Amino acid sequence: GAVVSQHPSRVICKSGTSVKIECRSLDFQATTMFWYRQFPKQSLMLMATSNEGSKATYEQGVEKDKFLINHASLTLSTLTVTSAHPEDSSFYICSARYRVGSEAFFGQGTRLTVV
Amino acid sequence: AQTVTQSQPEMSVQEAETVTLSCTYDTSESDYYLFWYKQPPSRQMILVIRQEAYKQQNATENRFSVNFQKAAKSFSLKISDSQLGDAAMYFCAYRQSGAGSYQLTFGKGTKLSVIP
Repeated sequence: GAVVSQHPSRVICKSGTSVKIECRSLDFQATTMFWYRQFPKQSLMLMATSNEGSKATYEQGVEKDKFLINHASLTLSTLTVTSAHPEDSSFYICSARYRVGSEAFFGQGTRLTVV
Repeated sequence: AQTVTQSQPEMSVQEAETVTLSCTYDTSESDYYLFWYKQPPSRQMILVIRQEAYKQQNATENRFSVNFQKAAKSFSLKISDSQLGDAAMYFCAYRQSGAGSYQLTFGKGTKLSVIP
């Protein structure tokens, strides 16, 4: 299957700082990327959907000013957690789809810890 | 809105035996996709098997097969000859088909333990 690389796999940051997570499709062009958040022992919760070259669509309850998503190219989407707080600590996962109707491939995930 | 329900939070199976994980969903669409994903302790989501709603034949991938009952909106996963490496969280997921950036809707997951 296609490869999606997510970086970093783990990050620890201080409260009040911002942290950027990258999601890259390595061997295909991703027209759509999805960002999820997963709490311990829970399912994946969709945060936002981003299409290359357009603004991301956020799910209800997700603060767009706090979770900035940029999908500037067909192979890269970034999620920036701004002014992070301990409650933002979580596991964040991206997935990418390369054409309408195809399956989505997942990155390895990023464990964010805000101290 | 579509919903996906996995009614078994945890399951266990003896190594080499067979186990079936349940999934039901609710949708008003006639064409859609259903998936089973595996999430091992590494937390990498791995696609196990996929079913297209318009196909009556049940999907099969080696030791993994599904029982897709469209009228009952049921999509169970059968794992045959269970192996220790099958131990993981399993998520059932639904996605609408057609043009559009349709996202996956996940169930809450079933934690599968494999007993040696």
